[in-house]
Amino acid sequence: EVQLVESGGGLVQPGRSLKLSCAASGFTFSNYYMAWVRQAPKKGLEWVATISTSGSRTYYPDSVKGRFTISRDNAKSSLYLQMNSLKSEDTATYYCARQPRSFPYYFDYWGQGVMVTVSS
Amino acid sequence: DIRMTQSPASLSASLGETVNIECLASEDIYSDLAWYQQKPGKSPQLLIYNANSLQNGVPSRFSGSGSGTQYSLKINSLQSEDVATYFCQQYNNYPNTFGAGTKLELK
Repeated sequence: EVQLVESGGGLVQPGRSLKLSCAASGFTFSNYYMAWVRQAPKKGLEWVATISTSGSRTYYPDSVKGRFTISRDNAKSSLYLQMNSLKSEDTATYYCARQPRSFPYYFDYWGQGVMVTVSS
Repeated sequence: DIRMTQSPASLSASLGETVNIECLASEDIYSDLAWYQQKPGKSPQLLIYNANSLQNGVPSRFSGSGSGTQYSLKINSLQSEDVATYFCQQYNNYPNTFGAGTKLELK
Protein backbone atom coordinates (compact mmCIF):
# COMPACT_ATOMS: atom_id res chain seq x y z
CA GLU A 1 0.00 0.00 0.00
CA VAL A 2 1.35 3.40 -0.99
CA GLN A 3 1.79 5.67 2.02
CA LEU A 4 3.00 9.26 2.17
CA VAL A 5 3.36 10.82 5.60
CA GLU A 6 4.21 14.51 5.95
CA SER A 7 5.74 16.17 9.00
CA GLY A 8 7.39 19.40 10.05
CA GLY A 9 4.52 21.84 9.85
CA GLY A 10 3.62 24.46 12.41
CA LEU A 11 3.40 28.16 13.22
CA VAL A 12 6.22 30.34 11.89
CA GLN A 13 6.76 34.09 11.73
CA PRO A 14 6.88 35.94 8.40
CA GLY A 15 10.37 35.97 6.92
CA ARG A 16 11.45 32.83 8.76
CA SER A 17 12.13 29.35 7.42
CA LEU A 18 10.58 25.91 7.81
CA LYS A 19 11.42 22.48 6.40
CA LEU A 20 8.79 19.88 5.61
CA SER A 21 9.45 16.17 5.27
CA CYS A 22 7.55 13.34 3.63
CA ALA A 23 8.23 9.67 4.38
CA ALA A 24 7.23 7.33 1.56
CA SER A 25 6.54 3.61 1.69
CA GLY A 26 4.80 0.89 -0.28
CA PHE A 27 6.50 1.63 -3.62
CA THR A 28 9.96 2.07 -5.12
CA PHE A 29 10.49 5.71 -4.22
CA SER A 30 13.48 6.24 -6.53
CA ASN A 31 11.37 5.36 -9.59
CA TYR A 32 8.94 8.25 -9.23
CA TYR A 33 8.88 11.99 -9.64
CA MET A 34 7.55 13.57 -6.44
CA ALA A 35 5.81 16.85 -5.73
CA TRP A 36 4.38 19.22 -3.15
CA VAL A 37 0.91 20.69 -3.60
CA ARG A 38 -0.68 23.15 -1.18
CA GLN A 39 -4.17 24.26 -0.28
CA ALA A 40 -4.85 27.53 1.52
CA PRO A 41 -7.71 27.38 4.07
CA LYS A 42 -11.04 26.97 2.30
CA LYS A 43 -9.30 27.45 -1.05
CA GLY A 44 -8.27 25.44 -4.08
CA LEU A 45 -5.14 23.50 -4.88
CA GLU A 46 -1.82 24.99 -5.98
CA TRP A 47 1.17 23.02 -7.23
CA VAL A 48 4.33 24.10 -5.38
CA ALA A 49 7.28 22.00 -6.55
CA THR A 50 8.30 18.84 -8.40
CA ILE A 51 11.55 16.87 -8.37
CA SER A 52 12.85 14.26 -10.81
CA THR A 53 13.66 10.69 -9.82
CA SER A 54 17.37 11.39 -9.28
CA GLY A 55 16.85 14.86 -7.88
CA SER A 56 18.77 16.48 -10.71
CA ARG A 57 15.78 18.42 -12.03
CA THR A 58 13.42 20.60 -10.04
CA TYR A 59 10.43 22.69 -11.07
CA TYR A 60 8.60 25.54 -9.32
CA PRO A 61 5.84 28.03 -10.10
CA ASP A 62 6.76 31.71 -10.00
CA SER A 63 4.96 32.16 -6.66
CA VAL A 64 7.65 30.20 -4.76
CA LYS A 65 10.65 30.18 -7.11
CA GLY A 66 13.77 31.37 -5.30
CA ARG A 67 12.21 30.87 -1.85
CA PHE A 68 11.34 27.14 -1.78
CA THR A 69 13.67 24.21 -2.48
CA ILE A 70 12.50 20.66 -3.06
CA SER A 71 14.92 17.79 -2.44
CA ARG A 72 14.89 14.05 -1.89
CA ASP A 73 16.91 11.25 -0.30
CA ASN A 74 16.22 8.05 -2.22
CA ALA A 75 18.14 5.96 0.31
CA LYS A 76 15.68 7.08 2.98
CA SER A 77 12.60 7.20 0.70
CA SER A 78 12.09 10.76 1.84
CA LEU A 79 11.03 14.02 0.22
CA TYR A 80 11.69 17.49 1.60
CA LEU A 81 10.56 21.07 1.10
CA GLN A 82 12.76 23.86 2.45
CA MET A 83 10.70 27.03 2.70
CA ASN A 84 12.53 30.34 3.21
CA SER A 85 11.34 33.93 3.45
CA LEU A 86 7.88 32.75 4.33
CA LYS A 87 4.91 35.04 3.72
CA SER A 88 1.38 35.06 5.12
CA GLU A 89 0.11 33.86 1.74
CA ASP A 90 2.14 30.66 2.18
CA THR A 91 -0.27 29.63 4.94
CA ALA A 92 -1.77 26.35 3.74
CA THR A 93 -1.96 22.63 4.12
CA TYR A 94 0.98 21.13 2.24
CA TYR A 95 0.55 17.74 0.60
CA CYS A 96 3.27 15.41 -0.57
CA ALA A 97 2.19 13.72 -3.81
CA ARG A 98 3.50 11.10 -6.21
CA GLN A 99 3.73 11.73 -9.94
CA PRO A 100 3.64 8.65 -12.18
CA ARG A 101 5.77 10.32 -14.85
CA SER A 102 7.92 13.34 -15.57
CA PHE A 103 6.70 16.88 -15.13
CA PRO A 104 4.09 18.11 -15.77
CA TYR A 105 1.76 15.27 -14.85
CA TYR A 106 -1.07 14.31 -12.57
CA PHE A 107 -0.70 13.10 -8.96
CA ASP A 108 -1.82 9.55 -8.24
CA TYR A 109 -1.24 9.37 -4.48
CA TRP A 110 -1.35 12.08 -1.82
CA GLY A 111 -0.32 12.26 1.80
CA GLN A 112 -2.66 13.39 4.58
CA GLY A 113 -1.15 16.86 4.57
CA VAL A 114 0.63 19.09 7.09
CA MET A 115 -0.48 22.57 8.13
CA VAL A 116 1.83 25.56 7.85
CA THR A 117 0.72 28.84 9.40
CA VAL A 118 2.74 31.98 8.72
CA SER A 119 1.81 34.66 11.22
CA SER A 120 3.39 37.04 13.70
CA ASP B 1 -0.64 30.00 -17.28
CA ILE B 2 -3.59 27.92 -18.44
CA ARG B 3 -6.73 28.91 -16.59
CA MET B 4 -9.16 26.15 -15.58
CA THR B 5 -12.76 27.26 -15.04
CA GLN B 6 -15.03 24.81 -13.25
CA SER B 7 -18.82 24.93 -13.18
CA PRO B 8 -20.93 24.95 -11.22
CA ALA B 9 -19.10 26.13 -8.09
CA SER B 10 -21.57 24.12 -6.03
CA LEU B 11 -24.50 21.85 -6.61
CA SER B 12 -27.06 19.91 -4.68
CA ALA B 13 -28.33 16.55 -5.95
CA SER B 14 -30.44 13.65 -4.73
CA LEU B 15 -29.35 10.08 -4.11
CA GLY B 16 -29.47 8.07 -7.32
CA GLU B 17 -29.31 11.17 -9.51
CA THR B 18 -26.78 11.73 -12.31
CA VAL B 19 -24.41 14.66 -11.83
CA ASN B 20 -22.23 16.50 -14.36
CA ILE B 21 -19.36 18.82 -13.53
CA GLU B 22 -17.68 20.87 -16.24
CA CYS B 23 -14.13 22.13 -16.65
CA LEU B 24 -13.14 24.65 -19.30
CA ALA B 25 -9.48 25.26 -20.16
CA SER B 26 -8.30 28.64 -21.48
CA GLU B 27 -6.48 26.81 -24.30
CA ASP B 28 -6.31 23.34 -25.82
CA ILE B 29 -4.88 20.86 -23.29
CA TYR B 30 -5.06 17.79 -25.55
CA SER B 31 -6.88 15.61 -22.98
CA ASP B 32 -4.12 16.10 -20.36
CA LEU B 33 -6.75 16.44 -17.67
CA ALA B 34 -7.30 14.80 -14.30
CA TRP B 35 -10.19 14.86 -11.85
CA TYR B 36 -9.80 14.60 -8.08
CA GLN B 37 -12.26 14.04 -5.24
CA GLN B 38 -11.63 15.64 -1.86
CA LYS B 39 -13.88 14.62 1.00
CA PRO B 40 -14.20 16.98 3.99
CA GLY B 41 -11.03 16.97 6.08
CA LYS B 42 -9.24 14.56 3.74
CA SER B 43 -6.59 14.77 1.05
CA PRO B 44 -7.50 14.72 -2.67
CA GLN B 45 -7.84 11.36 -4.41
CA LEU B 46 -7.32 10.78 -8.11
CA LEU B 47 -10.48 9.69 -9.95
CA ILE B 48 -9.78 10.18 -13.65
CA TYR B 49 -6.64 10.86 -15.71
CA ASN B 50 -6.05 11.49 -19.41
CA ALA B 51 -9.59 12.93 -19.46
CA ASN B 52 -11.35 9.55 -19.50
CA SER B 53 -9.20 6.85 -17.82
CA LEU B 54 -10.54 5.56 -14.53
CA GLN B 55 -7.96 5.25 -11.74
CA ASN B 56 -7.66 1.78 -10.19
CA GLY B 57 -10.20 1.22 -7.43
CA VAL B 58 -12.51 4.07 -8.41
CA PRO B 59 -16.17 3.01 -8.81
CA SER B 60 -17.39 2.72 -12.39
CA ARG B 61 -20.19 5.24 -11.75
CA PHE B 62 -17.52 7.90 -12.25
CA SER B 63 -16.57 8.74 -15.83
CA GLY B 64 -14.76 11.50 -17.67
CA SER B 65 -15.05 12.87 -21.17
CA GLY B 66 -14.08 15.78 -23.34
CA SER B 67 -11.39 17.10 -25.63
CA GLY B 68 -9.74 20.35 -26.63
CA THR B 69 -10.77 22.90 -24.04
CA GLN B 70 -13.99 21.33 -22.69
CA TYR B 71 -14.13 18.45 -20.22
CA SER B 72 -16.67 16.92 -17.89
CA LEU B 73 -16.93 14.54 -14.96
CA LYS B 74 -20.09 12.45 -14.72
CA ILE B 75 -21.30 10.67 -11.62
CA ASN B 76 -24.05 8.12 -12.23
CA SER B 77 -26.43 7.02 -9.49
CA LEU B 78 -25.15 9.42 -6.82
CA GLN B 79 -24.24 7.81 -3.50
CA SER B 80 -23.95 9.46 -0.07
CA GLU B 81 -20.19 8.81 -0.04
CA ASP B 82 -19.82 10.99 -3.16
CA VAL B 83 -20.37 14.15 -1.09
CA ALA B 84 -17.09 15.99 -1.68
CA THR B 85 -15.39 18.78 -3.57
CA TYR B 86 -14.19 17.89 -7.05
CA PHE B 87 -11.21 19.51 -8.77
CA CYS B 88 -9.94 19.33 -12.32
CA GLN B 89 -6.25 19.73 -13.17
CA GLN B 90 -4.47 20.28 -16.49
CA TYR B 91 -0.97 18.88 -16.99
CA ASN B 92 -0.42 19.73 -20.62
CA ASN B 93 1.64 22.79 -19.88
CA TYR B 94 3.86 24.29 -17.19
CA PRO B 95 2.72 25.13 -14.61
CA ASN B 96 0.06 22.50 -14.05
CA THR B 97 -3.05 24.26 -12.81
CA PHE B 98 -6.26 23.32 -10.98
CA GLY B 99 -9.84 24.43 -11.23
CA ALA B 100 -11.37 26.20 -8.21
CA GLY B 101 -13.47 23.18 -7.32
CA THR B 102 -17.11 22.08 -7.34
CA LYS B 103 -18.72 21.34 -3.99
CA LEU B 104 -21.27 18.55 -4.24
CA GLU B 105 -23.91 18.20 -1.54
CA LEU B 106 -26.94 16.00 -1.05
CA LYS B 107 -30.37 17.50 -1.53
